[in-house]
Amino acid sequence: KAGVTQTPRYLIKTRGQQVTLSCSPISGHRSVSWYQQTPGQGLQFLFEYFSETQRNKGNFPGRFSGRQFSNSRSEMNVSTLELGDSALYLCASSQGQGRTEAFFGQGTRLTVV
Amino acid sequence: GDSVTQMEGPVTLSEEAFLTINCTYTATGYPSLFWYVQYPGEGLQLLLKATKADDKGSNKGFEATYRKETTSFHLEKGSVQVSDSAVYFCALVSLVNQAGTALIFGKGTTLSVSS
Repeated sequence: KAGVTQTPRYLIKTRGQQVTLSCSPISGHRSVSWYQQTPGQGLQFLFEYFSETQRNKGNFPGRFSGRQFSNSRSEMNVSTLELGDSALYLCASSQGQGRTEAFFGQGTRLTVV
Repeated sequence: GDSVTQMEGPVTLSEEAFLTINCTYTATGYPSLFWYVQYPGEGLQLLLKATKADDKGSNKGFEATYRKETTSFHLEKGSVQVSDSAVYFCALVSLVNQAGTALIFGKGTTLSVSS
């Protein structure tokens, strides 16, 4: 079974630009969650999608958004990039029923210059 | 709100030493508990899990027991190897809005094992 795939692995963007990251979950998993990892704040929950609906949202500004498609693939978008958005963005997929374990992709390393 | 507290690192050990990484949590209800490991430049890998009190999760020689009375989930390994060098995260799943879930992580503990 293929794991969680995130693309691209690395991105360099300029302040003020926008960026879209992609995540393909494990086949059969309907829940996709996104996390931001930084040295200062650690791992923070961004949002979760289940069956194309946002089910939860963390405490991030509206510049961070996402969506999920009918095949469970998900994208997250960050608009008007700031230097502080530089981070490793991790996607996790799970079956989505109850408190099942989540499986992570390798992440997308975003650098804002 | 729910939270996870891990011992501060880094932890530096010699090969074959005994490892303990402490983890305590605060949560309403009965969360599921996890240990994840992150190798340099990689995402998170699930190491082990426990879903109810007194459950023992184990994998690759690592073990952790869900202790409800002390709200703890300490990670242990009897004999570490150089290849165990990584960052270890304790986490719980919090039920949000009665349906959705979100992982809440500790800040991570860096383990360095030398030969």
